[in-house]
Amino acid sequence: DQQVKQNSPSLSVQEGRISILNCDYTNSMFDYFLWYKKYPAEGPTFLISISSIKDKNEDGRFTVFLNKSAKHLSLHIVPSQPGDSAVYFCAASATPLIQGAQKLVFGQGTRLTINP
Amino acid sequence: NAGVTQTPKFRILKIGQSMTLQCAQDMNHNYMYWYRQDPGMGLKLIYYSVGAGITDKGEVPNGYNVSRSTTEDFPLRLELAAPSQTSVYFCASSPYRAQNQPQHFGDGTRLSIL
Repeated sequence: DQQVKQNSPSLSVQEGRISILNCDYTNSMFDYFLWYKKYPAEGPTFLISISSIKDKNEDGRFTVFLNKSAKHLSLHIVPSQPGDSAVYFCAASATPLIQGAQKLVFGQGTRLTINP
Repeated sequence: NAGVTQTPKFRILKIGQSMTLQCAQDMNHNYMYWYRQDPGMGLKLIYYSVGAGITDKGEVPNGYNVSRSTTEDFPLRLELAAPSQTSVYFCASSPYRAQNQPQHFGDGTRLSIL
């Protein structure tokens, strides 16, 4: 039972254009969502996050949109640059009732390739 | 600032051998986590810890053990290595805050069981 799904294993985008990566989730208890970027032979690097009380969060070229009714979030990168070529993971967690660690549930990842 | 450091980076084990994957963080984070990533899959939580002396199981704990004697270190132990444990293992940490905080990851240990 995959609670977080990234249905596109790969995406190819022209440099300068917009990249849109999608993520769906099934668990309605999830209230914190993150995007991580991963280069080969490195660990995931935090990119941007959003709480369920918002529907949009922006940080420079990166914007995350959350549609709670559809249980869907997306990451927009504009303009796309060659250095953005990486695997992107969507992750979600449910805030524990008592303060504690967040147990992240990850999607399978989408490999983004930016073509010059 | 080193962040989260994992050792070794690579290891090959024979079936039935045991080993400890090391993880250390220098950010004074309370929370620490172990994940595994299989090819083409997302990361899955093995174990986590909310502080020294306190650990709990994640989604896929079978075949692993952990301990947390200090804030800085969170080793993961494989007692009887099996081929199904061939994977890339990531350690992560996050601070104790009132609001949600992202986890910071190490660069991983690639483990092959033959």
